[in-house]
Amino acid sequence: GAVVSQHPSRVICKSGTSVKIECRSLDFQATTMFWYRQFPKQSLMLMATSNEGSKATYEQGVEKDKFLINHASLTLSTLTVTSAHPEDSSFYICSAGLTRSGANVLTFGAGSRLTVL
Amino acid sequence: KNQVEQSPQSLIILEGKNCTLQCNYTVSPFSNLRWYKQDTGRGPVSLTIMTFSENTKSNGRYTATLDADTKQSSLHITASQLSDSASYICVVSGADKLVFGAGTILRVKS
Repeated sequence: GAVVSQHPSRVICKSGTSVKIECRSLDFQATTMFWYRQFPKQSLMLMATSNEGSKATYEQGVEKDKFLINHASLTLSTLTVTSAHPEDSSFYICSAGLTRSGANVLTFGAGSRLTVL
Repeated sequence: KNQVEQSPQSLIILEGKNCTLQCNYTVSPFSNLRWYKQDTGRGPVSLTIMTFSENTKSNGRYTATLDADTKQSSLHITASQLSDSASYICVVSGADKLVFGAGTILRVKS
């Protein structure tokens, strides 16, 4: 149980375009989802916490207009990288939790590799 | 300041050998501590999760320990296999906050 599906796994786009990444909890309802960014050989960096039905909470230094997060249902959260630039190229990972702090269940998606040309 | 420090940063061992990874934290209040295995280019996969009252938890060849008094945890891998090569991440959960360690990169050689 507690499977999180992330799509797409890889995406290549041109500079200036927007890219949407989906994160779905397949067999449970996730009241909280987390979005992370990971650079090569570094640990995950929390970008934002999204709560179903309310606005996402962004970590310091993360531009909310750049990284749009929508958590419209208990099983789906999306991250849209708007007007992507090469420096946005990274590995983006989502995780889903069953409680507001995510302490009880925290399952990660397989990640999405974004390459901006 | 809430921090999670992992050591060593990287480790190379021979197949079949045991190894121990360390995680020290200063997160307070403490809710639970998790160890994850992350293969290159993949999302982290949970190995163990321990609460304040748990000292040891095993998952196959992986055994995690927790000393809540000294705020230290270890992950012991027994009889390592090539497939154990990955990054191992310690994550400590506090009050509505998850604090990630930088990870230990383990490489198992034949």
